[in-house]
Amino acid sequence: DQQVKQNSPSLSVQEGRISILNCDYTNSMFDYFLWYKKYPAEGPTFLISISSIKDKNEDGRFTVFLNKSAKHLSLHIVPSQPGDSAVYFCAASKGSGNTGKLIFGQGTTLQVKP
Amino acid sequence: DADVTQTPRNRITKTGKRIMLECSQTKGHDRMYWYRQDPGLGLRLIYYSFDVKDINKGEISDGYSVSRQAQAKFSLSLESAIPNQTALYFCATSDRGGIADTQYFGPGTRLTVL
Repeated sequence: DQQVKQNSPSLSVQEGRISILNCDYTNSMFDYFLWYKKYPAEGPTFLISISSIKDKNEDGRFTVFLNKSAKHLSLHIVPSQPGDSAVYFCAASKGSGNTGKLIFGQGTTLQVKP
Repeated sequence: DADVTQTPRNRITKTGKRIMLECSQTKGHDRMYWYRQDPGLGLRLIYYSFDVKDINKGEISDGYSVSRQAQAKFSLSLESAIPNQTALYFCATSDRGGIADTQYFGPGTRLTVL
């Protein structure tokens, strides 16, 4: 049973436009959410996170939105750049984000076209 | 130098062989993890260790074993490799006292079992 789902395997956007990556979860006990970015032949790297006590967290061009009632989060990248082309994973955890146990989604491959 | 290193980076082996994947870290983190990535399934937790004497099974531990030889070293073993263990394997670390649940990944080991 996939507790964290990224239903779009891929997304293609033009440089300068907004990229929106979506993630849904089923377990209401999740209270901390993270996005990771992965380039080919490298390990995932942490991008941004959000606690369930917030509904938005922003870091430069990256913003994560959390809708707890819908069990949905999204990552917005504005403006998108070709270097943002990568696989993006969302992840969730319980216990205020200090359990060390992350549940990952399947990943979405983002392609930003020049 | 990379903070989290994995050896080997690539390995081809045959069914029934024993194989060990090694992970070392220089971040000084307490916690270490082993994941595997399969297409369409994201990253799944195999084993995790919160300190040298604390080893825990993850989501998919069957067919795998681990050893935490020191704070900085965490090895994953496949006692008798089978073809459905062909995957990309990642080691990760996190700091109990750091940013909650932010994990730092190694570059990965691509394992092929023939």
